[in-house]
Amino acid sequence: EDQVTQSPEALRLQEGESSSLNCSYTVSGLRGLFWYRQDPGKGPEFLFTLYSAGEEKEKERLKATLTKKESFLHITAPKPEDSATYLCAVLMDSNYQLIWGAGTKLIIKP
Amino acid sequence: EAGVTQFPSHSVIEKGQTVTLRCDPISGHDNLYWYRRVMGKEIKFLLHFVKESKQDESGMPNNRFLAERTGGTYSTLKVQPAELEDSGVYFCASSQGTVDRQYFGPGTRLTVT
Repeated sequence: EDQVTQSPEALRLQEGESSSLNCSYTVSGLRGLFWYRQDPGKGPEFLFTLYSAGEEKEKERLKATLTKKESFLHITAPKPEDSATYLCAVLMDSNYQLIWGAGTKLIIKP
Repeated sequence: EAGVTQFPSHSVIEKGQTVTLRCDPISGHDNLYWYRRVMGKEIKFLLHFVKESKQDESGMPNNRFLAERTGGTYSTLKVQPAELEDSGVYFCASSQGTVDRQYFGPGTRLTVT
């Protein structure tokens, strides 16, 4: 069964404390992997797309990496405004459906 | 550039009633998607339009759900009759290409009592 699993479910960090979020996937064929950020009461906001193993993307304090089995979202020296739920989704190559993970709720304490 | 908009933002209805959700995609986006997030669960795909045609509706839970996209512009998702398990947040998204990033609306929170 095609599945996307995110860990941890929740993560509390002090401001400036770097860490990583994990997204592991088991799908029959990967067309692309997407990272989104979601704030309470809002829709998911696009962060990155990764298409092949070894690819990396960066944006401000965030860096996403991809292997054949998982993706990591590295957060360097986070600030309180980085607090949000981070969602991972996989676009299958057999159709155009996004398969979503349950998300990681990140809380950055000042 | 206006983003994806959804209406209403919140709807509370009784079991057995009918509700229609509306989504206005970003202008020029041929691809429109509907998703649903039930409390405590991950976001689930419902269906995908390319212009006015249903490309994939394999995620629609049952025949109480009917989606339309008039003239390839806005889309509606009707639930008739609503059941308690239909409660959740319904998201709409649009994209230019089928493998491109999807832009999401703020969602409609549906509560069936």
